[in-house]
Amino acid sequence: NAGVTQTPKFRILKIGQSMTLQCAQDMNHNYMYWYRQDPGMGLKLIYYSVGAGITDKGEVPNGYNVSRSTTEDFPLRLELAAPSQTSVYFCASRPWGWPYEQYFGPGTRLTVT
Amino acid sequence: ELKVEQNPLFLSMQEGKNYTIYCNYSTTSDRLYWYRQDPGKSLESLFVLLSNGAVKQEGRLMASLDTKARLSTLHITAAVHDLSATYFCAVGDLGNEKLTFGTGTRLTIIP
Repeated sequence: NAGVTQTPKFRILKIGQSMTLQCAQDMNHNYMYWYRQDPGMGLKLIYYSVGAGITDKGEVPNGYNVSRSTTEDFPLRLELAAPSQTSVYFCASRPWGWPYEQYFGPGTRLTVT
Repeated sequence: ELKVEQNPLFLSMQEGKNYTIYCNYSTTSDRLYWYRQDPGKSLESLFVLLSNGAVKQEGRLMASLDTKARLSTLHITAAVHDLSATYFCAVGDLGNEKLTFGTGTRLTIIP
């Protein structure tokens, strides 16, 4: 299994541009999550999904959108990028059931200038 | 709202010494996780703690959980350079799918 994969690894955006961060997992996990990590900080939850077609907001959803059309994929869309969205973005997934342990992808480092 | 605090935020210690990282959380939870992050890398799961009094050990690291005190500790024994990393605790929000992360402890082991 490849686990959780994310593309791209790095990206520089200009203010006002849009992009989609891709996340895929091949473990047949129901739950998927998007986090952002600002320098020197912990992770903050942006959006999560409990299964195909079901998504919900996390702590910091403004400026982002998600969709979940398949179990495997959970893309994160940034509309009208702003410098405040400069961060490292991590996708995670977990299977149904206890102990709810999440498995993380390698991250996407995004800079908005 | 669940809040998670870690201390210290930065820790520089000599090889061979022992130290403890603390993770306090504000509301009742049923699960706590410890992760390790190397610079520029993703998070690696270290421990999952699910019950009061749980203790888990892996090599020089030992984690424990006191749900009554809402406190978890990560104890490092006879530190070695390879343990230099940032360590995060994450606490499960009771009754939902979310994790709340602490701000992390950046550990540097000095030869």
